[in-house]
Amino acid sequence: DVKVTQSSRYLVKRTGEKVFLECVQDMDHENMFWYRQDPGLGLRLIYFSYDVKMKEKGDIPEGYSVSREKKERFSLILESASTNQTSMYLCASRSLEPFYEQYFGPGTRLTVT
Amino acid sequence: LAKTTQPISMDSYEGQEVNITCSHNNIATNDYITWYQQFPSQGPRFIIQGYKTKVTNEVASLFIPADRKSSTLSLPRVSLSDTAVYYCLVGDNQTGRRALTFGSGTRLQVQP
Repeated sequence: DVKVTQSSRYLVKRTGEKVFLECVQDMDHENMFWYRQDPGLGLRLIYFSYDVKMKEKGDIPEGYSVSREKKERFSLILESASTNQTSMYLCASRSLEPFYEQYFGPGTRLTVT
Repeated sequence: LAKTTQPISMDSYEGQEVNITCSHNNIATNDYITWYQQFPSQGPRFIIQGYKTKVTNEVASLFIPADRKSSTLSLPRVSLSDTAVYYCLVGDNQTGRRALTFGSGTRLQVQP
């Protein structure tokens, strides 16, 4: 079974702190994603990486950066956390065969106070 | 990327068949249609994917008309555990260099 793990299920940080959210997948997938999910807004794409060291901005990249130094690991960085970044963060990796299928991690609920 | 439109919410009762329709009027030739299911406090999971006509697996069926401008996810005899949000995604499966949009999905509530 594909496994996507995220470093924390729950995280509480203070405004202005630098926050790292880590995601690891064990299926050698080239594509990885970071989303945030807020009530009534569905899943919104923050960043997408289609290969090591490659990244593309999603719909809401402002206030975030990412790092993909190794194929299995995709990190989301909040340079200076703000209260409007309180959200559920979901990481995913994607297979290309036999289906174009995304596998999601359990999510990290981040609260910024 | 093709824009999708689906109902915000639906209600059903246990044992009924549920059909959720997604509109994607500007679907492109290379686009596939994919449906995901999300339970509370979990990430979405893949249900089914198709290109045209009908696809069936152990969970659901996907009906796609000839013009491919819409698709219908069919859940046979739903149970309480089918209460979830269902997302319709449309996009190109030819390369791994594009991200698809999830949107807000359809919230299905199954009642006893």
